[in-house]
Amino acid sequence: KAGVTQTPRYLIKTRGQQVTLSCSPISGHRSVSWYQQTPGQGLQFLFEYFSETQRNKGNFPGRFSGRQFSNSRSEMNVSTLELGDSALYLCASSLMVSGANVLTFGAGSRLTVL
Amino acid sequence: KQEVTQIPAALSVPEGENLVLNCSFTDSAIYNLQWFRQDPGKGLTSLLLIQSSQREQTSGRLNASLDKSSGRSTLYIAASQPGDSATYLCAVWSSGGSNYKLTFGKGTLLTVNP
Repeated sequence: KAGVTQTPRYLIKTRGQQVTLSCSPISGHRSVSWYQQTPGQGLQFLFEYFSETQRNKGNFPGRFSGRQFSNSRSEMNVSTLELGDSALYLCASSLMVSGANVLTFGAGSRLTVL
Repeated sequence: KQEVTQIPAALSVPEGENLVLNCSFTDSAIYNLQWFRQDPGKGLTSLLLIQSSQREQTSGRLNASLDKSSGRSTLYIAASQPGDSATYLCAVWSSGGSNYKLTFGKGTLLTVNP
């Protein structure tokens, strides 16, 4: 059974550019959530999608956006990159949107902004 | 606003020792609590999930307890091994207005010395 797949694993961008990260959930999982992990702030919730609809959103600026496709794959986009956006971006999937489900995480996409 | 604190931030023990990691949260109205393990540069691996109605969960050498009223959880690791070296993260699902919200602690970095 394949796990959660995130691409790309590593990428380097410069300030002002935009980036798109991809997440393929475990087959059958309909909920995909995204998290940002930095040494200073730890893990912070970005947003969650379920059946192509954003169900939950964290406290991040509008430069951070996402979407989910009919096959449950999800993408997140960060526009006008800032140095502080350098982080490990983690995606997780679960069967349902409720908090009673175990989250399965991908290995992450490490973004460096120069 | 839910806040999750993990103590200690780092812990170094000799192989074979039993140890306890602590997690506390400020809002006791949680849906569940989940313990994760993160190896350097990698994603998160779910260890144990405790529903709000449960008091503890066990998996192999791991035992997690939950005391909602006091806002505390502990992760007990028996007979520690060098392979247990990792960062251990505690996360709680709670209500964020009309949405569910997952809040992480900053983790405990565990080193088990052979």
